Parts: sequence; C-alpha cells; structure tokens
Amino acid sequence: DTEVTQTPKHLVMGMTNKKSLKCEQHMGHRAMYWYKQKAKKPPELMFVYSYEKLSINESVPSRFSPECPNSSLLNLHLHALQPEDSALYLCASSHLLGELFFGEGSRLTVL
Amino acid sequence: QKEVEQDPGPLSVPEGAIVSLNCTYSNSAFQYFMWYRQYSRKGPELLMYTYSSGNKEDGRFTAQVDKSSKYISLFIRDSQPSDSATYLCAMSLIQGAQKLVFGQGTRLTINP
Repeated sequence: DTEVTQTPKHLVMGMTNKKSLKCEQHMGHRAMYWYKQKAKKPPELMFVYSYEKLSINESVPSRFSPECPNSSLLNLHLHALQPEDSALYLCASSHLLGELFFGEGSRLTVL
Repeated sequence: QKEVEQDPGPLSVPEGAIVSLNCTYSNSAFQYFMWYRQYSRKGPELLMYTYSSGNKEDGRFTAQVDKSSKYISLFIRDSQPSDSATYLCAMSLIQGAQKLVFGQGTRLTINP
C-alpha cells in the first residue's frame, strides 16, 4: 500500500487564522517531507524530517511550523499567512534512501 | 543556471506516437533519478525510479540515465490520451536526509 493521506484537501483561511495541515503514512517510511507547489511550477522543498527529527529547513518563514509527532504523522501549522502563501502543499514520505511517494495535496487559499 | 533543466513544453503528439522527455543536470552528486506524472490539481505520481546509468523498463515506459553526460530521459511508447499530464523529472542527493530537486516539468498532451 503506497499511500500518503493528506487532510484537508482544501483550506481557506484569513491572514489572522491559525490552521494545520495533516499528513499520514503507514508504509514504515522514516523520512517525511513538506513541499509547496505554485501553479505551473515544480514542487519546492520546505522541510524534511528523518526519524522524527527535522533534518532540512529550506529557510522557510516562521509562519510555517512543522511537527512530526511520530513516525507516521506529519503536521504543518500555519499562522499569520500571506495571500502569496496560497498554493498546493504536498506531503511525501520515503525510506531514508529511495523513492518519494506523494499525497494528493492540500490546496490552501489565504484571503 | 538551474541544477536541473527540463523543457516545459507544451508538447503535443498524436495518439500512438513515441514520446521522449528529457532532463539535464549540473550537479554530479545526484544519485537517484525519478520521473513523476502529475495530473491537474493532483499530487505527483511516481512512474520510474533509477539509481545507476542504463535503462529501466516498465510497461510502456522506459527510463534512461547517462551519468557521464548528466542526462536522463523518459520514453513513452504507444502513447494514450490518458498519458496527457505534466511530467516532472527529479533527482536526489543525500545531505543527512534525502533532498529531491525537480525539473520544471513538461506539459504533454496526447491527441486522439
């Protein structure tokens, strides 16, 4: 079962709201990723967790706060976002070396 | 210069044609090579994954990697309208964790 599940599929929030995106995988992968994708652009890496520890932060603004509560779950907490943060947010997982499997994404609109 | 170069297209071919998609890269540290297919408003779906130079075949899809030329290709045989999508090449290197770098993506349309 190669499935990464993301919720919610769609989210609309105001600039003062706090919300969270959630990601879950049950493939035994120990690396999990957040990517951001704007229309007609490739995904851009935001964060990588390896064994539940943050390994890579691609200089993402602090209004995005990742969390990895356990090896199956990955959250992205959102606070005080800007309209330009509207995008498709993709979660992925992999073994430490190997193919990345992506979820369907959470489409975020910031008003 | 981008680390990974991919012609964004668009590319339009008739049904049944052989499609060739390509990427070049500049960083010789890339170790793993992937091709993803992405339909509109969906997440990327892994098509092919290769490590070493050479060919890998899966059904109608063949991936080629030439590390000496820093060039990778994806061939689609007997193309179908359902193959219409954006195709993304991706390459990874290990910096403590695996870091995947994508090409720009090629938008492909297969015309019935």
